[in-house]
Amino acid sequence: QQQVKQSPQSLIVQKGGISIINCAYENTAFDYFPWYQQFPGKGPALLIAIRPDVSEKKEGRFTISFNKSAKQFSLHIMDSQPGDSATYFCAASNPDYKLSFGAGTTVTVRA
Amino acid sequence: DGGITQSPKYLFRKEGQNVTLSCEQNLNHDAMYWYRQDPGQGLRLIYYSQIVNDFQKGDIAEGYSVSREKKESFPLTVTSAQKNPTAFYLCASSPRDRDEQYFGPGTRLTVT
Repeated sequence: QQQVKQSPQSLIVQKGGISIINCAYENTAFDYFPWYQQFPGKGPALLIAIRPDVSEKKEGRFTISFNKSAKQFSLHIMDSQPGDSATYFCAASNPDYKLSFGAGTTVTVRA
Repeated sequence: DGGITQSPKYLFRKEGQNVTLSCEQNLNHDAMYWYRQDPGQGLRLIYYSQIVNDFQKGDIAEGYSVSREKKESFPLTVTSAQKNPTAFYLCASSPRDRDEQYFGPGTRLTVT
């Protein structure tokens, strides 16, 4: 049973547009929420992460929004570029540092 | 040049054979992890180790075995008991008492 539910499965966005990926969780013990970016045939790379005491975190064109009461968090990719075309995974970690991953979202940015 | 190396990148085996996947890190990280990735699915945890000579089963440990004799190495053996071994295998590491996990490039195993 997947502990972190991710949507949509895939999305297409025009260059310069905004990509939004959503994740939901049930386990209130989760205390760390990272996002990973993966290109085909490569390992995932840590993109940005947030803890539950913060509602938003921004790094460049990437922003995490976190809603603790709704147990939801999302990734926004602003001004999407063709180089952002990849699969994005949300994850959540217990205090014992075990990560549970969402199923992934394939983002395609059209030039 | 610090990082995590996994070898080989592609591995082919016949059904019924055991196969060992290599994972080495020179980041001086204490914890190491093995994940399996299948198409359309997230990463699933196979085994993890927080310290040398100690490791724990993850969510899908059946048919796999590991050892952690050195801090920098965490090899994974896919045994013949694993019913569906064809997958992309990813190794990760993290510093002691830290959440951030860093991944290697992966090994794609095909069993026919």
